[in-house]
Amino acid sequence: GAGVSQSPRYKVAKRGQDVALRCDPISGHVSLFWYQQALGQGPEFLTYFQNEAQLDKSGLPSDRFFAERPEGSVSTLKIQRTQQEDSAVYLCASSSPLGYQETQYFGPGTRLLVL
Amino acid sequence: AQSVTQPDIHITVSEGASLELRCNYSYGATPYLFWYVQSPGQGLQLLLKYFSGDTLVQGIKGFEAEFKRSQSSFNLRKPSVHWSDAAEYFCAVIGGYGQNFVFGPGTRLSVLP
Repeated sequence: GAGVSQSPRYKVAKRGQDVALRCDPISGHVSLFWYQQALGQGPEFLTYFQNEAQLDKSGLPSDRFFAERPEGSVSTLKIQRTQQEDSAVYLCASSSPLGYQETQYFGPGTRLLVL
Repeated sequence: AQSVTQPDIHITVSEGASLELRCNYSYGATPYLFWYVQSPGQGLQLLLKYFSGDTLVQGIKGFEAEFKRSQSSFNLRKPSVHWSDAAEYFCAVIGGYGQNFVFGPGTRLSVLP
């Protein structure tokens, strides 16, 4: 497809479980971003990749959050030992080429519910 | 640090009425500003963006926004709202290393028939 895709769309996890969220960016897009959107709030930045390099992870809320993009295309956001406060929609966005002016295209998000 | 405020949490307008959604930003340099719309269960869709030049920007779906540096504002407008415009609207500014967006909290728009 032409857009950013994310899977799964919905995920229910028991507290303490590990989860992995996948993002397929638009083909050829160099930059990839992860955002967390809590209920009723705007998205908040988590981390940024330029190709396979993770250039900014300042938004990751704890060391339980880990992201990777090993081949510079698909990215995975992993959350270890999930907590209830991790419940949110996780959005992925991609853009290309490099530069502040480039528009970010967002995927539909993965809605995570931790019970 | 960059920040974006959207003073109105929820706005209700009648179909056919005009609309203005407010956005104020705090940013030290020349801002790059965006408006996105999010329908329930959907991803964020870009409505319009401002980088430089003409301060009145036209977007999709009949939306426009005006950048006012003196007021640090980037308000979104539409002359006649359609029922399908009911959604959440987010203003955002490019900020920080790595070009990530800083989003406002959003304004939820309801449209009365």
